[in-house]
Amino acid sequence: GQQLNQSPQSMFIQEGEDVSMNCTSSSIFNTWLWYKQDPGEGPVLLIALYKAGELTSNGRLTAQFGITRKDSFLNISASIPSDVGIYFCAGQLNTNAGKSTFGDGTTLTVKP
Amino acid sequence: DTAVSQTPKYLVTQMGNDKSIKCEQNLGHDTMYWYKQDSKKFLKIMFSYNNKELIINETVPNRFSPKSPDKAHLNLHINSLELGDSAVYFCASSLTGANGYTFGSGTRLTVV
Repeated sequence: GQQLNQSPQSMFIQEGEDVSMNCTSSSIFNTWLWYKQDPGEGPVLLIALYKAGELTSNGRLTAQFGITRKDSFLNISASIPSDVGIYFCAGQLNTNAGKSTFGDGTTLTVKP
Repeated sequence: DTAVSQTPKYLVTQMGNDKSIKCEQNLGHDTMYWYKQDSKKFLKIMFSYNNKELIINETVPNRFSPKSPDKAHLNLHINSLELGDSAVYFCASSLTGANGYTFGSGTRLTVV
């Protein structure tokens, strides 16, 4: 089946630093999504990407849909303590009834 | 006003018991999902219903039986619970044709 690998698995950064993480797949997707999960909560959608090469921002977050359609990137600028959490990428194909395949997550820790 | 609500939040039960988890969404979405998150935080789809009809059924033991009485509700019944069923179960919903889910806050199931 499809597998999504996220890197790095975990990051420890200082408040104010920029963060980059990525997600790669063994097969193509039509849609890429990025979620954030806080402890004890469900994932919350941050950004959705619909076209290869697309670059989309949401506040301090910027995500890109890779040209090959097999990868995506998420950047967070000027990190703050509340950015702490697990970031998941997810891929969707138009043909499989809205099913999302999730990556294995990047855990972000921000030191004040 | 919670968008996707799951009950209970925590469930501790003995091996061999039967238990149910309930999920309701008030977003007007037509598709609902159950995902399982294991101890390594990996999210794996179990089931998906669209307008009360089962459309995705991944390789889940048939001890797990979803039921959707209407498109706003998707419940999960589990028979003969096993230790390996311990995990966090997330309900989610979406609109057909739109991308990205709204997740509930999860049900932490512990089988002892």
